[in-house]
Amino acid sequence: GDSVTQMEGPVTLSEEAFLTINCTYTATGYPSLFWYVQYPGEGLQLLLKATKADDKGSNKGFEATYRKETTSFHLEKGSVQVSDSAVYFCALIPPGGGYNKLIFGAGTRLAVHP
Amino acid sequence: AAGVIQSPRHLIKEKRETATLKCYPIPRHDTVYWYQQGPGQDPQFLISFYEKMQSDKGSIPDRFSAQQFSDYHSELNMSSLELGDSALYFCASSLAQRGLGAFFGQGTRLTVV
Repeated sequence: GDSVTQMEGPVTLSEEAFLTINCTYTATGYPSLFWYVQYPGEGLQLLLKATKADDKGSNKGFEATYRKETTSFHLEKGSVQVSDSAVYFCALIPPGGGYNKLIFGAGTRLAVHP
Repeated sequence: AAGVIQSPRHLIKEKRETATLKCYPIPRHDTVYWYQQGPGQDPQFLISFYEKMQSDKGSIPDRFSAQQFSDYHSELNMSSLELGDSALYFCASSLAQRGLGAFFGQGTRLTVV
């Protein structure tokens, strides 16, 4: 079935370090891909998305590129801040599934210290 | 901008009791999704509604039921609560257009004691 695999956390970085969180997916056809972020005690916020191969989603300095050949959608940021500390979820909408029914990865916790 | 509103934010119930969670979607969104997130887990899809009809069903226990009303708000009813039902319950809404993603509420934290 359709699934998402993320790198395990926690990821611990110093402020201004470069961030990469790996995400790979398994799906038939071309799913839509998303990154959501969850701050402590809050709901999930849509961070960025890409709906077709080679699309790049970007928001708030984060970016991810839809790579069909490697079935990946890695999240990157050039310089992280303490305020980026959160749990990041990679997710997909299968091509044949509900309009926006999301399948999530396990989440990766990011901790940024000063 | 208006967001998805869930109530209550926190709920404490005893085993075997009943709970009702409410969700008010973003205005003009016609699709509602319910998810359950256990501690340290990813959100698991429970059920969804489109235009007041159930559109998809995931890992929702038979003890749970849900519906979407004429004003598009939705309620998740949970009966015979068990300790294992303790979790964060999220509602999300979207337009019925593939690939937009869904917008989540703040969640209801249910604790069963």
